[in-house]
Amino acid sequence: DADVTQTPRNRITKTGKRIMLECSQTKGHDRMYWYRQDPGLGLRLIYYSFDVKDINKGEISDGYSVSRQAQAKFSLSLESAIPNQTALYFCATSLARDWGNEQFFGPGTRLTVL
Amino acid sequence: AQSVTQLDSQVPVFEEAPVELRCNYSSSVSVYLFWYVQYPNQGLQLLLKYLSGSTLVESINGFEAEFNKSQTSFHLRKPSVHISDTAEYFCAVSDQLYNQGGKLIFGQGTELSVKP
Repeated sequence: DADVTQTPRNRITKTGKRIMLECSQTKGHDRMYWYRQDPGLGLRLIYYSFDVKDINKGEISDGYSVSRQAQAKFSLSLESAIPNQTALYFCATSLARDWGNEQFFGPGTRLTVL
Repeated sequence: AQSVTQLDSQVPVFEEAPVELRCNYSSSVSVYLFWYVQYPNQGLQLLLKYLSGSTLVESINGFEAEFNKSQTSFHLRKPSVHISDTAEYFCAVSDQLYNQGGKLIFGQGTELSVKP
């Protein structure tokens, strides 16, 4: 069974719609992250959470919001989707005690905004 | 702040040939360094990392990377590639300050294409 799961895996939506991407993990990690991947740009951090009560903006948080419902769940919302939010979105987790900060990634959600 | 530059966006090679994927970084503080691999239609997985100690680190599938502090580089090498190594490779850095810890800065990625 996958340790980090993302739903949905693929989503096509229209401009202006509200979208929620969900991430769940069974690794018992305290830290969770949302990234987006665009061709030629690598992965860019949207939001990260060190624990349920600690949520921080990443480098490209505009147009996004997050919710950490529990240690194991971290959701990303697009309040009003726009075409340039078309991308591959990844959730990741890590363990705070791991100073090397290895991050474990989910399989990704491919989002298309028309 | 840190930044990462992967100098090649695409690297085509023939099977059994050697390969080097280049990565340079900039940072005002000490860093940890990582290479992640993304196989087609999958998420990223850690290939190898440098935290401290020996500057040469190895993966279980024959890749190695050397941390060069003076040149701020962390190039990835393999002496003989296989078709199954075809993937996108990402170099990443994380600073060693706890209050900034947990944030990875990724390079743009290098697509390695191994041809028979």
